[in-house]
Amino acid sequence: QVQLQESGPGLVRPSETLSLSCSVSDVSSTSHYWSWVRQPPGKGLEWIGYIYKTGITNYSPSLKPRVTISIDTSKSQFSLKLNSVTAADTAVYYCARGSPDHGDYDSWGQGTLVSVSS
Amino acid sequence: EIVLTQSPGTLSLSPGERATLSCRTSQSGGSNYLAWYQQKPGQAPRLLIYGASSRATGIPDRFSGSGSGKDFTLTINGLEPEDFAVYYCQHYGRTFGQGTKVEIK
Repeated sequence: QVQLQESGPGLVRPSETLSLSCSVSDVSSTSHYWSWVRQPPGKGLEWIGYIYKTGITNYSPSLKPRVTISIDTSKSQFSLKLNSVTAADTAVYYCARGSPDHGDYDSWGQGTLVSVSS
Repeated sequence: EIVLTQSPGTLSLSPGERATLSCRTSQSGGSNYLAWYQQKPGQAPRLLIYGASSRATGIPDRFSGSGSGKDFTLTINGLEPEDFAVYYCQHYGRTFGQGTKVEIK
């Protein structure tokens, strides 16, 4: 497994951009992809998207117009940007490592709560 | 977009009993890409099962996964106190089911 740690502001204003980073002990793996998942308070898990080391991305159709995931292998981290946020984007955001072989996420960050409020 | 439907929403059982959780996908295919997770309050999800039936590293053998096509099952044989949690299925590294809560009866 690998260690992942999310970081970023815990409070974002409505209509602004939510920006998070995930530091990974080794993001250079070509055998995995790097994902973002969120969980609104008291609700279930929602897949946001993922990125390969090569930069190839795949986003949830419902969030695709507002989401960008990028990767910086030199800093061993990948990032999430979600623009035009509303209160509905308030959630715990997790980063995770995925396996293309089976589509499972075997390592997760601890999660970070982002609240959208004025 | 594939939709995953988990049932029941809540399962009330006693320690030692067997839990049977269901996950149905809206489209068949990709059995190799069905995963199950356990989540406890305040914690990140933990991978239990991948490829529909393979246990992840360190997962006790009381957890087992089965199924193919559109219908998948997570079985917990002999519930331990630490197994009371919420369980999610996921398909193809994307869509999650809405979760099944296993609570103490």
